[in-house]
Amino acid sequence: GAGVSQSPSNKVTEKGKDVELRCDPISGHTALYWYRQSLGQGLEFLIYFQGNSAPDKSGLPSDRFSAERTGGSVSTLTIQRTQQEDSAVYLCASSADQETQYFGPGTRLLVL
Amino acid sequence: GQNIDQPTEMTATEGAIVQINCTYQTSGFNGLFWYQQHAGEAPTFLSYNVLDGLEEKGRFSSFLSRSKGYSYLLLKELQMKDSASYLCAVNDYKLSFGAGTTVTVRA
Repeated sequence: GAGVSQSPSNKVTEKGKDVELRCDPISGHTALYWYRQSLGQGLEFLIYFQGNSAPDKSGLPSDRFSAERTGGSVSTLTIQRTQQEDSAVYLCASSADQETQYFGPGTRLLVL
Repeated sequence: GQNIDQPTEMTATEGAIVQINCTYQTSGFNGLFWYQQHAGEAPTFLSYNVLDGLEEKGRFSSFLSRSKGYSYLLLKELQMKDSASYLCAVNDYKLSFGAGTTVTVRA
């Protein structure tokens, strides 16, 4: 596609529910990244995929967070038993060469 | 660990020049990015410095000194649309971001 797309653009959920966030990278980009941006804070790295494997999951805040990537393309970030502190903008980025990363529009998650 | 510092806010007048400094101490370094982020939008790529020196791209220039752990983004001939947050990010295959500098351009 022309750019990185993410869905949904906004998600409101109740504490304790599970949510799934989707990222469609730029076609042909082998590297995919998830970041989180909490209100008033910088972007925080969550996980990195090269192809379908995730060599670096070091940024996932807890075992309630998981992600997968299939077919070397679409990725899903799942948050189980959501907590209010999970409220943030979740940004996905992709890159062709592990250098310039292009960001999607993000999913704004609000946990009530 | 990663430590990336940049000023929180800067204000300048339309048509003026503003320089945003970024200092970093990181465990790995492949290069340094500058991104622009308007409120409620995704970061957009501005520049990438791998080697020391100045990279000029239209009204925006970026400088890197690896020995000093220092970079700056220079915005010239400021326009109102340049009001945004500017993010410094160190590339170690994953990006480590500073907190961002909010630039406000006044008429």
